[in-house]
Amino acid sequence: LAKTTQPISMDSYEGQEVNITCSHNNIATNDYITWYQQFPSQGPRFIIQGYKTKVTNEVASLFIPADRKSSTLSLPRVSLSDTAVYYCLVGDNYGQNFVFGPGTRLSVLP
Amino acid sequence: GAVVSQHPSWVICKSGTSVKIECRSLDFQATTMFWYRQFPKQSLMLMATSNEGSKATYEQGVEKDKFLINHASLTLSTLTVTSAHPEDSSFYICSARDRGDYGYTFGSGTRLTVV
Repeated sequence: LAKTTQPISMDSYEGQEVNITCSHNNIATNDYITWYQQFPSQGPRFIIQGYKTKVTNEVASLFIPADRKSSTLSLPRVSLSDTAVYYCLVGDNYGQNFVFGPGTRLSVLP
Repeated sequence: GAVVSQHPSWVICKSGTSVKIECRSLDFQATTMFWYRQFPKQSLMLMATSNEGSKATYEQGVEKDKFLINHASLTLSTLTVTSAHPEDSSFYICSARDRGDYGYTFGSGTRLTVV
């Protein structure tokens, strides 16, 4: 299972763009990169998933360089409600469980 | 999208008693479900993989006789914490994946407090 490394915490202000980078040097060919958001006392919530290049949905963008050894989650114009822990996970989608790293605790300040 | 329902959302029990937590996939079938435990300010730790119709696979260090997992149908997995002790107090979360979805869907979690 590919191990991931993320910053432990980040601070931002409302309205700013936040970029959280995750390193996964030993990612396998079949692995996807998936990001989850977790609020206190709730289960993680799927944000976005990608394999290579760039993926965008209604809440975030995911940038993956050609070597796939890292990825960056981009949250545009964050609000106070985006304060949460963000987890980067690497694994395939065929029955393999995800191993959670410590995640990044994002604090959005007014 | 896929929905995973977990009940109860919180439970308080006395030391020595057993507690059952249910995890249901509401609109899809899940041959595999996963159970995690999360302590305050920490990440999720995988406890076991629940397989429909067969025995669960436990992670190293997780006592299979203490954390009983039953995956009797394609939509239901249960975790029973037997003879609970205060150190078992934690947040328990299950997850599953609908084949047509990206990533895994997680339940809302169960806060277990053993007094």
